[in-house]
Amino acid sequence: EPEVTQTPSHQVTQMGQEVILRCVPISNHLYFYWYRQILGQKVEFLVSFYNNEISEKSEIFDDQFSVERPDGSNFTLKIRSTKLEDSAMYFCASRGQGLSEQYFGPGTRLTVT
Amino acid sequence: AQSVTQPDIHITVSEGASLELRCNYSYGATPYLFWYVQSPGQGLQLLLKYFSGDTLVQGIKGFEAEFKRSQSSFNLRKPSVHWSDAAEYFCAVGAADSGYSTLTFGKGTMLLVSP
Repeated sequence: EPEVTQTPSHQVTQMGQEVILRCVPISNHLYFYWYRQILGQKVEFLVSFYNNEISEKSEIFDDQFSVERPDGSNFTLKIRSTKLEDSAMYFCASRGQGLSEQYFGPGTRLTVT
Repeated sequence: AQSVTQPDIHITVSEGASLELRCNYSYGATPYLFWYVQSPGQGLQLLLKYFSGDTLVQGIKGFEAEFKRSQSSFNLRKPSVHWSDAAEYFCAVGAADSGYSTLTFGKGTMLLVSP
């Protein structure tokens, strides 16, 4: 069964550094998402992406964040200058056309020190 | 904006007993509703979903949920819990009027299964 994959599984970085989290959505999917889950808290929406542009973003997704689909398979989330409060599990999700569920990847645990 | 409430942070159920996890949502129109399960260190796996039609939906692993519009609820049930069901369960709502761009999650319910 096709699945969403994410790399790396765990990323440790120092405050102020840039990080790029990578996702490979399911191949025929058209809608892509990033969510985050701070330890012990609920999963929060960050951004959705369709047709090579952001379709919706939350207030969390400020100028420090950006997303890109650099080729036909990858979908990336970049944090330009990480802060301690960016430490969280970041989930990528994708879904196909029409009314369908979002499929989530296993997540990348980001630790900012 | 939509919101989801899962009133139970933790629930402990004996193996073989029945289970009901509560979920209430707030949304002005007919919502899209989902239950996801997260095992420790794992991602989110979809258990079941409701888009329209029959209000009782069946999912994987023997789970079912019932959409009750009058109560704004989408409670998850299982008739007989197995030890492997121990995990965190998240209810989520998708907003139809935003083209279903986002999912709003509840805070989750941690299910513990006792022998």
